[in-house]
This record gives sequence, C-alpha cells and structure tokens, in this order.
Amino acid sequence: AQTVTQSQPEMSVQEAETVTLSCTYDTSESDYYLFWYKQPPSRQMILVIRQEAYKQQNATENRFSVNFQKAAKSFSLKISDSQLGDAAMYFCAYRRGTSGSRLTFGEGTQLTVNP
Amino acid sequence: NAGVTQTPKFQVLKTGQSMTLQCAQDMNHEYMSWYRQDPGMGLRLIHYSVGAGITDQGEVPNGYNVSRSTTEDFPLRLLSAAPSQTSVYFCASSYAGLAYNEQFFGPGTRLTVL
Repeated sequence: AQTVTQSQPEMSVQEAETVTLSCTYDTSESDYYLFWYKQPPSRQMILVIRQEAYKQQNATENRFSVNFQKAAKSFSLKISDSQLGDAAMYFCAYRRGTSGSRLTFGEGTQLTVNP
Repeated sequence: NAGVTQTPKFQVLKTGQSMTLQCAQDMNHEYMSWYRQDPGMGLRLIHYSVGAGITDQGEVPNGYNVSRSTTEDFPLRLLSAAPSQTSVYFCASSYAGLAYNEQFFGPGTRLTVL
C-alpha cells in the first residue's frame, strides 16, 4: 500500500519570505501523480499544484513550486514571497496513475505566516 | 454549476443513531469518493464509486454504507453512529477517462457523535 508522510506538523514563515514543506511517499508504482492541497480555515480543499511522475521537470504555479526527487521519493513544496493568505493546512497527496479518484493523503502541515 | 454540494454542514448525533450524509455533483463526473479527516491523520478514503451502480471500499469502510443509484448523488450512511466516527467528512468527484482528472471537493460535513 502507498503511504505519504509529512514530518512537519507545523511550520511558520515571515511574510515575504520563502518556506519549504516536506513530503515523502512510498510506492512501487511507476505511474502516479503527486499533489499539494491547501485547506484554509474555511475547510475547503484547494488544489495548489500537481506533478506527474513521468515528468522530470518540477511543476511551478506562480509563487508555488515543487522539488520532485523521484529516486528519493520526495516531493517538497516551496512557497516564495509568502503572503498572509497562504496561512493554512497543507496536505501532500498521492494518486496511482490508474486509480481514478483514490487519493492517499499525508498528515498535513499547518503553516503560519507572521506579519 | 454548483460543483460538489454536501448536506448538512454540521450534525450532532447520539451513539447508536443513524443518518445519511448527502453528496451531489452537477458536473456529470463518473468518479465520486468519500473521505474523513481526523486531526493528525490527513484525509482517509472511506468508499468510492466509478459510476452509477458501482461502489467499492476504501481504506476505512467499517461502519459506513454507500450506494450510487444516479451519476449525480453519492450518499454516505452511518447505520449506528459511534464516537469514533466523529470527524469531518468530505465528498469529492472527478471525470474518468483522462490521464489526469482533478478531484473537486465539497465543503465538508462536521459530524459529532456523543
């Protein structure tokens, strides 16, 4: 079974600075997707960024980028120029390529942004 | 489009009571799923469906039933609620047939079992 681990229950960053959230996963599959979701206090799950395992290039979405290390099974999220609105719970998630709707989530990292 | 809707938003039950959490989507998605979210454990898959009439168990199915009679609706039933089922429940849906299909989540239902 696949597992996803987020070893940082809490992180904090100063506004305008950069922070990196860590995620490791375990799988024997070669075809899979990795995701970072943001959950603000509203509880809504918001997709931040995704990475296809077959792509070597790291995904980037504006201030959000990932460092995907396939051999090490590591998938960290970097948030640049942190904003107060980035404060939220962040979840790393894995999906096997053919599993359709089934996501495996990590435990989550609570990010605080200090003004 | 309303997207994925869930009702109720909050619910308090007594141990042994039954109830149904409703989930509906208006995007004609084939895939629908139920997750529960507990502190320190992320979201865990309860049941999922790949189309009307087809359901299967996820990681934590015990104590929950589902059925999928239409494409739009995917209700989650608690037959005899237990305090261990106190959690936040999320429904999600996505298209099938694409290499990548984003999951859309509902707003969640916070359930407390006393």
